[in-house]
Amino acid sequence: SQQGEEDPQALSIQEGENATMNCSYKTSINNLQWYRQNSGRGLVHLILIRSNEREKHSGRLRVTLDTSKKSSSLLITASRAADTASYFCATPMNSGGYQKVTFGIGTKLQVIP
Amino acid sequence: DTGVSQDPRHKITKRGQNVTFRCDPISEHNRLYWYRQTLGQGPEFLTYFQNEAQLEKSRLLSDRFSAERPKGSFSTLEIQRTEQGDSAMYLCASSLNPGTGGSEQYFGPGTRLTVT
Repeated sequence: SQQGEEDPQALSIQEGENATMNCSYKTSINNLQWYRQNSGRGLVHLILIRSNEREKHSGRLRVTLDTSKKSSSLLITASRAADTASYFCATPMNSGGYQKVTFGIGTKLQVIP
Repeated sequence: DTGVSQDPRHKITKRGQNVTFRCDPISEHNRLYWYRQTLGQGPEFLTYFQNEAQLEKSRLLSDRFSAERPKGSFSTLEIQRTEQGDSAMYLCASSLNPGTGGSEQYFGPGTRLTVT
């Protein structure tokens, strides 16, 4: 079963706008990761946030983690057409195990030029 | 290119045939993972290796599936007696031993399998 669930499942915005995607998970985790997948291709790691971190930035990306609510958000600022992709959150399968991660079904982002 | 590579990129096979996919991870990565992804879904974990040892297999991995990593470098995933339900993208990823706090996985481009 998949632990993480992204919301919304699809998002369409104009270039230049910000895009926010959310991820909720069920069990305690020690880290959460976000990945991007362009159509029909492999996944690209974007950012890893640890359970003792609340916010992390990487370029135009901002990730937050609220362990009390078991949720995370990914914000892409000043979106570009090239940001069009599916975005997945990935969480460890169990609280102590980071040998494998589970992926949600993803948020499909379309940025309209 | 020092990324994860997979071969072939596409495979079309008839139901009942056997297929084998290959994954070459990033050379210094000791962990290797296989995932399966169907349309509109996220990747589903199949199995992973630490060096040559296969440490975990998902219940998704039926007896028709077998994976090896004989020398702790490249890995193969074989599907015997393919079924139409096996049609999917098969993704390989590698990572360093995560230690505490997890580590990112580097994905290959995937092998798209179509069973007719």
